[in-house]
Amino acid sequence: GQQLNQSPQSMFIQEGEDVSMNCTSSSIFNTWLWYKQDPGEGPVLLIALYKAGELTSNGRLTAQFGITRKDSFLNISASIPSDVGIYFCAGHAPGNTGKLIFGQGTTLQVKP
Amino acid sequence: NAGVTQTPKFQVLKTGQSMTLQCAQDMNHEYMSWYRQDPGMGLRLIHYSVGAGITDQGEVPNGYNVSRSTTEDFPLRLLSAAPSQTSVYFCASEGQGTYEQYFGPGTRLTVT
Repeated sequence: GQQLNQSPQSMFIQEGEDVSMNCTSSSIFNTWLWYKQDPGEGPVLLIALYKAGELTSNGRLTAQFGITRKDSFLNISASIPSDVGIYFCAGHAPGNTGKLIFGQGTTLQVKP
Repeated sequence: NAGVTQTPKFQVLKTGQSMTLQCAQDMNHEYMSWYRQDPGMGLRLIHYSVGAGITDQGEVPNGYNVSRSTTEDFPLRLLSAAPSQTSVYFCASEGQGTYEQYFGPGTRLTVT
């Protein structure tokens, strides 16, 4: 089946640093979504992207839908301790409305 | 709105026992899905539904049954639990045309 490769697998950074993570696929996607999961909770939607080349921000978070439709990245600027968690990319392949495919996740730890 | 709700939050089963994980949403979303989350593997789609009376298999459907008799509810049944089904289960819903899935808080299942 289709897979999303998300990297890096984990990051340990200092508070105030910027963070970048990305997701790639061997096939095209119609949407890209970025989620954050806190321990013991369900994933929470951060940003949704709908068009190739789209760049969208949500506070300190910025995400882009790759021009080839096969990749996406998420940037977090000026990280703070509450940014700790697992970040997932996800997407809908063409014709697969209602079926999300997830990356393996990036675990982010922030040192105060 | 309560969003997506799941019960129970925790469950321990013995091998061979059956049970139903409940999921409900009050957002009138057409699409609902079940995922399982295992360490290092992200979320994998078990079954999904694009509307009442319509269900289909995801990536890992074996050992699970679903039905969708109403728009609001999408229960997941384990007919004969196995230790390999120890996992965290998430239900999600998506409004038609929005491509944005919203997740419940999860059910943590242990099969001994």
